Amino acid sequence: GAVVSQHPSRVICKSGTSVKIECRSLDFQATTMFWYRQFPKQSLMLMATSNEGSKATYEQGVEKDKFLINHASLTLSTLTVTSAHPEDSSFYICSAREWATTNEKLLFGSGTQLSVL
Amino acid sequence: SQQGEEDPQALSIQEGENATMNCSYKTSINNLQWYRQNSGRGLVHLILIRSNEREKHSGRLRVTLDTSKKSSSLLITASRAADTASYFCATGFQKLVFGTGTRLLVSP
Repeated sequence: GAVVSQHPSRVICKSGTSVKIECRSLDFQATTMFWYRQFPKQSLMLMATSNEGSKATYEQGVEKDKFLINHASLTLSTLTVTSAHPEDSSFYICSAREWATTNEKLLFGSGTQLSVL
Repeated sequence: SQQGEEDPQALSIQEGENATMNCSYKTSINNLQWYRQNSGRGLVHLILIRSNEREKHSGRLRVTLDTSKKSSSLLITASRAADTASYFCATGFQKLVFGTGTRLLVSP
């Protein structure tokens, strides 16, 4: 069945390095994917909308040069946190909509816990 | 902010009891959805209620919607320890706006 697969599930990195998070749609194609960020015990905040073959749309206040999004195929979107700092430590979740059977609900990846030391 | 508010923020009950969570939102909607999130995991869709519906059931879940008050409630009946999770309401279509969430703890 249709699933959104996200990797890695957990990453620890040093301050100043870049981290790439992958979001794949399995058994379906996703022209649009969404990236959310979640701080502990808080809600999900939409960061950006990833569009296959075109530039991502970022929400207000989200630095596009900091959070690079690439959606090069219909099944893969990546989020790269560049020059990560401790304040970037957070839980990142991607999602996509599989239109054939779930056109009104989003499928979510299992999330990536990023810890920047 | 478009974000909805949920209450309570946290709820602690015993197995077998019912749990009720409330969600208020700010804009007109076509539908409202409820999601569940286990700690450190992604979200799982629970139920969707359309703006022209007032109540919907799915197993042990009962959702109500009052568009005049811009509010919704999620009732989990006969709760189980496995229901322990955070629950979020969400509005919007392509871009979902999530409520602040209710952390539910069900003790055996």
